[in-house]
Amino acid sequence: DIQMTQSPSSVSASVGDRVTITCRASQRISSWLAWYQQKPGKAPKLLIYDASSLQSGVPSRFSGSGSGTDFTLTISSLQPEDFATYYCQQANSFPLTFGGGTKVEIK
Amino acid sequence: EVQLVQSGAEVKKPGESLKISCKGSGYSFTSYWIGWVRQMPGKGLEWMGIIYPGDSDTRYSPSFQGQVTISADKSISTAYLQWSSLKASDTAMYYCAKSYDRRGSLFDYWGQGTPVTVSS
Repeated sequence: DIQMTQSPSSVSASVGDRVTITCRASQRISSWLAWYQQKPGKAPKLLIYDASSLQSGVPSRFSGSGSGTDFTLTISSLQPEDFATYYCQQANSFPLTFGGGTKVEIK
Repeated sequence: EVQLVQSGAEVKKPGESLKISCKGSGYSFTSYWIGWVRQMPGKGLEWMGIIYPGDSDTRYSPSFQGQVTISADKSISTAYLQWSSLKASDTAMYYCAKSYDRRGSLFDYWGQGTPVTVSS
């Protein structure tokens, strides 16, 4: 199985801050990576697919980059509605696997 | 509008069986995979398995193989996740999700979740 490691596990930030979350795969997955946002009590929401493609309706302050084993999700200017937990997921092969999550909290 | 509507909350005893459902609408149910994801209380997301309703091709995570059964009834656009003998450790929220494309490798629409509580 491909292991996905996210860091940090949590980050405290203020509205307007730039936030960067990283995800590392245990083997090369090309650009087969997705990012999801989950708010408390809600289902996950797809933000980014194919490492850098923005899902329809997702604000442009979200961006993704990377390929191979190292990936990044960046929120360019944190908004109040962005406080949530973010997960990466490798989409290269079954079994699909998620990272452990990064909780973005209010500073 | 694409929708996945899951069955309601369940409270069961250890050893009991359970089948929860996920009904898709607003898209071609047989053309996209449906996956199941577990989220234990306060924990992260775990991919359990996936089914292609068009031909019932099913794949499981090794962690869940033999522990659950995934099925689908394409005549009513519904996928299922079932247990034959529940354990307390099966207590979790279970989400179904529709695949973004025919690769089945990521999910663009999610159900609202079915909370399952297993307690004596």
